Amino acid sequence: AQTVTQSQPEMSVQEAETVTLSCTYDTSENNYYLFWYKQPPSRQMILVIRQEAYKQQNATENRFSVNFQKAAKSFSLKISDSQLGDTAMYFCAFMKPLAGGTSYGKLTFGQGTILTVHP
Amino acid sequence: DAMVIQNPRYQVTQFGKPVTLSCSQTLNHNVMYWYQQKSSQAPKLLFHYYDKDFNNEADTPDNFQSRRPNTSFCFLDIRSPGLGDAAMYLCATSTGGTGNSPLHFGNGTRLTVT
Repeated sequence: AQTVTQSQPEMSVQEAETVTLSCTYDTSENNYYLFWYKQPPSRQMILVIRQEAYKQQNATENRFSVNFQKAAKSFSLKISDSQLGDTAMYFCAFMKPLAGGTSYGKLTFGQGTILTVHP
Repeated sequence: DAMVIQNPRYQVTQFGKPVTLSCSQTLNHNVMYWYQQKSSQAPKLLFHYYDKDFNNEADTPDNFQSRRPNTSFCFLDIRSPGLGDAAMYLCATSTGGTGNSPLHFGNGTRLTVT
């Protein structure tokens, strides 16, 4: 079974600064997907960024980027120019496809990191 | 906008009184999931449907059941809620098709058991 570990229960950052959230995972699979989801207080869980394991290039989405180290099984999230609206619980998640070549699978989540952005 | 809608947003039920949570989607996705999320914890998968095929997680209590009458709707039935079942219940969908398609989550239903 896959496990996902987020070793930072809480993080804080000043507005406009950069913060990195850590995530490691354990799997024997070679083909899988990785995600970071954001869950603001009492609000919907939304996708921040995604990465396919077969892609060596790190994914980026505006102010969000990942550092994907497949051999080390590490998938950290960097948030640049932090904004107050980035305050949320961040979940790292792993998906092994249940059918080859598809996105049909089950997400395994880490325990989450509560990020607080201070003005 | 296409989306995943969960009703109600907040549900209060009594200990042992059956309760049903609902989820609908306008995304026409093949896969629908139910997750249980207790306070400040990671979401835990209860079960999922690929079309009409039901897939139960091994550690999901028998107290939890689900129905998917059509593509758009999925229900979570808790037959005899206990105090330990108080949680946020998240519905999510995905295409289940090719490529890296993420899960789309609803707003969740927060269940309180009194």
